[in-house]
Amino acid sequence: DAGVTQSPTHLIKTRGQQVTLRCSPISGHKSVSWYQQVLGQGPQFIFQYYEKEERGRGNFPDRFSARQFPNYSSELNVNALLLGDSALYLCASSGQGERNQPQHFGDGTRLSIL
Amino acid sequence: TQLLEQSPQFLSIQEGENLTVYCNSSSVFSSLQWYRQEPGEGPVLLVTVVTGGEVKKLKRLTFQFGDARKDSSLHITAAQPGDTGLYLCAGVINSGAGSYQLTFGKGTKLSVIP
Repeated sequence: DAGVTQSPTHLIKTRGQQVTLRCSPISGHKSVSWYQQVLGQGPQFIFQYYEKEERGRGNFPDRFSARQFPNYSSELNVNALLLGDSALYLCASSGQGERNQPQHFGDGTRLSIL
Repeated sequence: TQLLEQSPQFLSIQEGENLTVYCNSSSVFSSLQWYRQEPGEGPVLLVTVVTGGEVKKLKRLTFQFGDARKDSSLHITAAQPGDTGLYLCAGVINSGAGSYQLTFGKGTKLSVIP
């Protein structure tokens, strides 16, 4: 079975541009979360979506937005890119029902801002 | 903001040695997870500890959750080069309806030298 897939794997943008990152969860998973991992740090929570509704938002500016589609895939959008947005963006999916089901991470999108 | 402090930040040891990594917080978590992350990949879940005082073993890895559910430790016996990686602890914050968010520590970068 395919794991969580993210695209693109690498991306280079310049300051002020906009970017869209994509995530396909494991088949059957209805919850998708996004994390930002700056070099040398642990991942930091950005958003969580469950059944196409936002269920959680981390401490990130309004330049960051996301959505989840009927097929449970998700997009993360970042507007007006800053140098500090350079990071590995991770998507994780999890199943429903049983509490504390594990989150399965994709390998991330490496975003570099020039 | 619920913060997780991990120590040490870096650890370089010889093959065959034992080591312990610590994860501490001033907050109580419903559960705590340990992940390992290798370069270019997403974090992979190793274990979830739920009950205060709980001890879980995964081959040479022993995980312990503090009695007050604020801290945890990971002990590796007879480390091997394959144990090299970034070890992350993450506190679980339940957001309802089977969904949850993770608050990560900064990680411990372990290098095991053959």
